Amino acid sequence: GIQVEQSPPDLILQEGANSTLRCNFSDSVNNLQWFHQNPWGQLINLFYIPSGTKQNGRLSATTVATERYSLLYISSSQTTDSGVYFCAVEAGGGADGLTFGKGTHLIIQP
Amino acid sequence: GAGVSQSPRYKVTKRGQDVTLRCDPISSHATLYWYQQALGQGPEFLTYFNYEAQPDKSGLPSDRFSAERPEGSISTLTIQRTEQRDSAMYRCASSFGPSYEQYFGPGTRLTVT
Repeated sequence: GIQVEQSPPDLILQEGANSTLRCNFSDSVNNLQWFHQNPWGQLINLFYIPSGTKQNGRLSATTVATERYSLLYISSSQTTDSGVYFCAVEAGGGADGLTFGKGTHLIIQP
Repeated sequence: GAGVSQSPRYKVTKRGQDVTLRCDPISSHATLYWYQQALGQGPEFLTYFNYEAQPDKSGLPSDRFSAERPEGSISTLTIQRTEQRDSAMYRCASSFGPSYEQYFGPGTRLTVT
C-alpha cells in the first residue's frame, strides 16, 4: 500500500516562531488532508489539499502532487497550536480510506 | 447533524465480552469510514460504507470485527470476544462521497481489561 512519511517527528518552538512540516507519499493520491490532533484527542480538519496551495489564517499548505509531497506552514505559532499534526492520503484508483503518517508532535512554549 | 457523533465516548469491558460502538455521520454524507487508533499512532483504516453498501472490509483485523450501516445513515462497529490488543480509540469519519474531505467524530476510547 501507499507509504506516508512525515518530518520532523518532534518539534519544540517558542511562541511566535514559524515552522514547516513535511509529508512525503509514495504514490499518486486522490485525497490529501492535514489534521491537528489537539491535546484532548480531537482530530481537527486543517486542509483538504490533493494539489495546489491553500491558506487559512496563520496556516497554509502546498501539495506538489507530481513530486509526491505536501508542506504545512504555521506562522506566528501560539501555544494552542501544540499537538500532533497528521498528514493523511488516499491512494489513487479507489476509496480505501485514508492512510495516515506517524505525525509531527509540535510543542509551542510560551 | 452538525457534526459526526459517536457513542459511547468511553467503554471499559472485560476480555471475552462483545462490544458495539455507534457512529452518527453528518446527515448529507453518503460515505462513512471506521478507523482504529492506537496510543501514539495515527488512525488506521478498518472499513467503509457508501450508503449501506460495504465495498471494502480489508482493514478489519480479524473476523471478530464487523460493521453495519443497514439504512445508509447510522453505523455500528461490533467487536466480538474482545481481547486486550483491541484496546484503542475507534474513530468514525464521514464524507460527501469517496475521495471527498473526511470529517472525524470524537472517537470511542475502548479499554479491554
